[in-house]
Amino acid sequence: NAGVTQTPKFRVLKTGQSMTLLCAQDMNHEYMYWYRQDPGMGLRLIHYSVGEGTTAKGEVPDGYNVSRLKKQNFLLGLESAAPSQTSVYFCAGGQGLEQYFGPGTRLTVT
Amino acid sequence: KQEVTQIPAALSVPEGENLVLNCSFTDSAIYNLQWFRQDPGKGLTSLLLIQSSQREQTSGRLNASLDKSSGRSTLYIAASQPGDSATYLCNLNYGGSQGNLIFGKGTKLSVKP
Repeated sequence: NAGVTQTPKFRVLKTGQSMTLLCAQDMNHEYMYWYRQDPGMGLRLIHYSVGEGTTAKGEVPDGYNVSRLKKQNFLLGLESAAPSQTSVYFCAGGQGLEQYFGPGTRLTVT
Repeated sequence: KQEVTQIPAALSVPEGENLVLNCSFTDSAIYNLQWFRQDPGKGLTSLLLIQSSQREQTSGRLNASLDKSSGRSTLYIAASQPGDSATYLCNLNYGGSQGNLIFGKGTKLSVKP
């Protein structure tokens, strides 16, 4: 039982490149979330999903897309990376009220 | 708009001291509040979850309370240890949507041996 895992752990992108971050969970969580964490800003919700095949916008969705084709996976895509998207990205899963977090992905956009 | 404040931003105490961390919010219509700890360079670890109908939750040396009328939650740590050194974050779910989630910016705790 690995809980919530994130791939990759680190990534460096050039401005304009695209990439996909993968979040996987083996805890049968109905809900999944993507956050970004920035110094002085705290954690902010990007997108979330309340079930397989559903997605919704959070507080800071611009520049990101998500998909939840399978219940256990939640993908976060950056179509054209910008330096402002340099951040640490956290995925979380939950069943009801509680959230369980993955270890994070540190992304740098140069 | 819901706002969450954690004061102080940083706290340093000697080992063995009992301490209280604060989380204040502006809108009392919350569904639940969750306390996390985050170690440097790591993810978040869930400590305690308080549902809106509850007043407090306890786990070991930790006790979290919730007072919606005053817009405040506290995390009490008894007999602090150097291993408690971390950043403590509170997270609220409010307003009837699973996406209405907001974090405080955290309190960085340092427990000195």
